[in-house]
Amino acid sequence: DQQVKQNSPSLSVQEGRISILNCDYTNSMFDYFLWYKKYPAEGPTFLISISSIKDKNEDGRFTVFLNKSAKHLSLHIVPSQPGDSAVYFCAASAVGLSNTGKLIFGQGTTLQVKP
Amino acid sequence: NAGVTQTPKFRILKIGQSMTLQCTQDMNHNYMYWYRQDPGMGLKLIYYSVGAGITDKGEVPNGYNVSRSTTEDFPLRLELAAPSQTSVYFCASKGGHLNEKLFFGSGTQLSVL
Repeated sequence: DQQVKQNSPSLSVQEGRISILNCDYTNSMFDYFLWYKKYPAEGPTFLISISSIKDKNEDGRFTVFLNKSAKHLSLHIVPSQPGDSAVYFCAASAVGLSNTGKLIFGQGTTLQVKP
Repeated sequence: NAGVTQTPKFRILKIGQSMTLQCTQDMNHNYMYWYRQDPGMGLKLIYYSVGAGITDKGEVPNGYNVSRSTTEDFPLRLELAAPSQTSVYFCASKGGHLNEKLFFGSGTQLSVL
């Protein structure tokens, strides 16, 4: 039962263009969403997050959009840079439900930004 | 500030052997987690702890055990290694459940042959 899904295993974009990574979730109790970035042989690092009370959060070149009715979120990277090439994980939690702080992760999308 | 430290980085086990994956954090975080990453499967939660002396199962706990005797350390034990436990293991921590940013270690790549 995959509660958080990233249906695109990989994405390739040209440097300077926009990268759009998508994520869908099934559990309507999720109220906090995060994106993590992972380079080979390293642990994931936090990128950006959004609460369910918002529909957009922006941090520099990174913007996350949340569509609660569609249970869908997306990460936009503009402009894309070769250093953005990594695996991106979408994650969700139900902060209001419990005090465990557990995150449920998607399968990941490998982004390649070509120079 | 070292953050979350995992040892070893790599290990090869024979079927039936046991080992302990070590994880320690120096951020005084109460919440600690063990995830495994299989190719194309994302990260699956094995066990977690909300404080010293308190542990609970995640999505895929079978074949593993944990303990949390101190705030800093959260070791993961494999008692009878099986090929299905070949994976990359990540330990993570955070300060509180409302602060949802997880800090990850660099991972342990384990192969069971």
